[in-house]
Amino acid sequence: DQQVKQNSPSLSVQEGRISILNCDYTNSMFDYFLWYKKYPAEGPTFLISISSIKDKNEDGRFTVFLNKSAKHLSLHIVPSQPGDSAVYFCAASALGGSNYKLTFGKGTLLTVNP
Amino acid sequence: GEEVAQTPKHLVRGEGQKAKLYCAPIKGHSYVFWYQQVLKNEFKFLISFQNENVFDETGMPKERFSAKCLPNSPCSLEIQATKLEDSAVYFCASSQDRGNEQFFGPGTRLTVL
Repeated sequence: DQQVKQNSPSLSVQEGRISILNCDYTNSMFDYFLWYKKYPAEGPTFLISISSIKDKNEDGRFTVFLNKSAKHLSLHIVPSQPGDSAVYFCAASALGGSNYKLTFGKGTLLTVNP
Repeated sequence: GEEVAQTPKHLVRGEGQKAKLYCAPIKGHSYVFWYQQVLKNEFKFLISFQNENVFDETGMPKERFSAKCLPNSPCSLEIQATKLEDSAVYFCASSQDRGNEQFFGPGTRLTVL
């Protein structure tokens, strides 16, 4: 029973263009969402987060959008750079239920071509 | 320190042997989490601590897995009598407070032969 789903295993974009990574969730108790980037043989690196009281959060080239009614969030990277090539994980937690563990999706491999 | 530190980087054990993994959270962080990554991209939550107290252990296979976070010592995750299926990368993460983002260490790759 996958509560966080990243349906695209991979995505390829051209340098300078926008990368859009998608994530869906099923557990309505989730109220805090995070995106992590992971390079091979390294730990996940925190990128950006969003609370369920917001529908958008922006940090530099990274913007996360949350659509609660659709139980969907997306990460936009603009402009994409070759160094952004990595696996991106969507994660969620239910802070309101005092449940701070993260539930992860299976990741999307982003390749940014020069 | 400013980063989560995990040791060792790699650990090889024969089936039935004990394995012990260590994690030093970021200084000032109150919460520590352990995750197991199997099949390359699947993360499974194991256990969390608030300071030295177990906060959530719903993910722990209790028969062979145990964990501690003692004052002034690295946190540890111990697997008694390892099995082939325990082969995975084990990540430790810490957060400043309960509602904050978690910062991950580089992981320990455990191989059980």
